[in-house]
Amino acid sequence: AQKITQTQPGMFVQEKEAVTLDCTYDTSDQSYGLFWYKQPSSGEMIFLIYQGSYDEQNATEGRYSLNFQKARKSANLVISASQLGDSAMYFCAMREGYNTDKLIFGTGTRLQVFP
Amino acid sequence: EAGVVQSPRYKIIEKKQPVAFWCNPISGHNTLYWYLQNLGQGPELLIRYENEEAVDDSQLPKDRFSAERLKGVDSTLKIQPAELGDSAVYLCASSLVSEAEQFFGPGTRLTVL
Repeated sequence: AQKITQTQPGMFVQEKEAVTLDCTYDTSDQSYGLFWYKQPSSGEMIFLIYQGSYDEQNATEGRYSLNFQKARKSANLVISASQLGDSAMYFCAMREGYNTDKLIFGTGTRLQVFP
Repeated sequence: EAGVVQSPRYKIIEKKQPVAFWCNPISGHNTLYWYLQNLGQGPELLIRYENEEAVDDSQLPKDRFSAERLKGVDSTLKIQPAELGDSAVYLCASSLVSEAEQFFGPGTRLTVL
């Protein structure tokens, strides 16, 4: 079974608009962490935002926010005021349990921002 | 502060040839990771080092892949012999300690002909 599911292979958004990238996860652990990374065409994975399973507030980092719905096991990334430079692949990842740093990644969503 | 450095950025070899990738983590980062990223997929962990020790190599195909991290700083990942299916991007990442945020390098794109 897929641990991390990203059902949107590609998304388009107009500049300055908001966009939501979907991510659902599967775990039986009570303690876990959820991450979003951006991968531009240059190849490196850039950390965007983190949500811990016990965090009561949704994480926010500048224009990025994470819509964490624990009961539904979803951790969608919301990008507000999209910019042309946001065009990239976006990966959702999960780290399960304590004392582990193994990240399990989804298959990614390619976001294209157009003027 | 310099990020994670990887070389080469691109490598093209013929099957059955050996190949090696090099990674220099962020200064002071004790934990180093090697990931494999196939086309259209997310990265998958191959091996994780805590200083010099490989603490998780369960996903490393040990018949042809090997890795080392001498002195707990730079690391080298080797494939010998390479197969067509090894064509992928090999990403290196580092973190200050395990469980912390991982910082990734630009990757090495390997093409095996």
